[in-house]
Amino acid sequence: QVQLVQSGAEVKKPGASVKVSCKASGYTFTNYYMHWVRQAPGQGLECMGIINPSGGSTSYAQKFQGRVTMTRDTSTSTVYMELSSLRSDDTAVYYCARAAPIFVLVPAAFDYWGQGTLVTVSS
Amino acid sequence: DIQMTQSPSTLSASVGDRVTITCRASQSISTWLAWYQQKPGKAPKILIYKASSLESGVPSRFSGSGSGTEFTLTISSLQPDDFATYYCQQYNSYLYTFGQGTKLEIK
Repeated sequence: QVQLVQSGAEVKKPGASVKVSCKASGYTFTNYYMHWVRQAPGQGLECMGIINPSGGSTSYAQKFQGRVTMTRDTSTSTVYMELSSLRSDDTAVYYCARAAPIFVLVPAAFDYWGQGTLVTVSS
Repeated sequence: DIQMTQSPSTLSASVGDRVTITCRASQSISTWLAWYQQKPGKAPKILIYKASSLESGVPSRFSGSGSGTEFTLTISSLQPDDFATYYCQQYNSYLYTFGQGTKLEIK
């Protein structure tokens, strides 16, 4: 069965960076786009960007351009999201979510989600 | 980016009620719209995709409609398990966006 398992909670100081991992299993990792979504406490869902695990290409929401980097390791079927220059308002639960098949040119919604990783930014 | 606007932000209803949530897109997204349900401390769960297609395993009391820029999610007869927060999401563009959410509360 498809599973996305994320790394554990992190506590970081303002100005630091955090790197969250998402390990996929139960399907062919390089066949599906992966997105990152975050949710601040008591707030809504915010899409951060997308990575193509096959070629590694990425696209980031304008809000996060210059601060976020998404990468993948095909040998371990893992995607990573690194956010730098952390501020207190980056405190949130960060999710990875699987979306469309890469080689089928039809958009698709998120069908599987990771369990979420709480990142707390505090001095 | 495509902006998604949901209304209402909060909805108070009783078990057995029929409720409707509306979502508007800032530009046409055809039918590339999904609805999710989220409960506290959990990841969202998809209910509807392609505006009106029911995800496997989702009760038939949930239905979606719309195309272009206007969409609705309807729950025909609220059950206790339905009290949660609901989000619409467009996936017409490469970078997806969510509505701000509708919290469905027990009246």
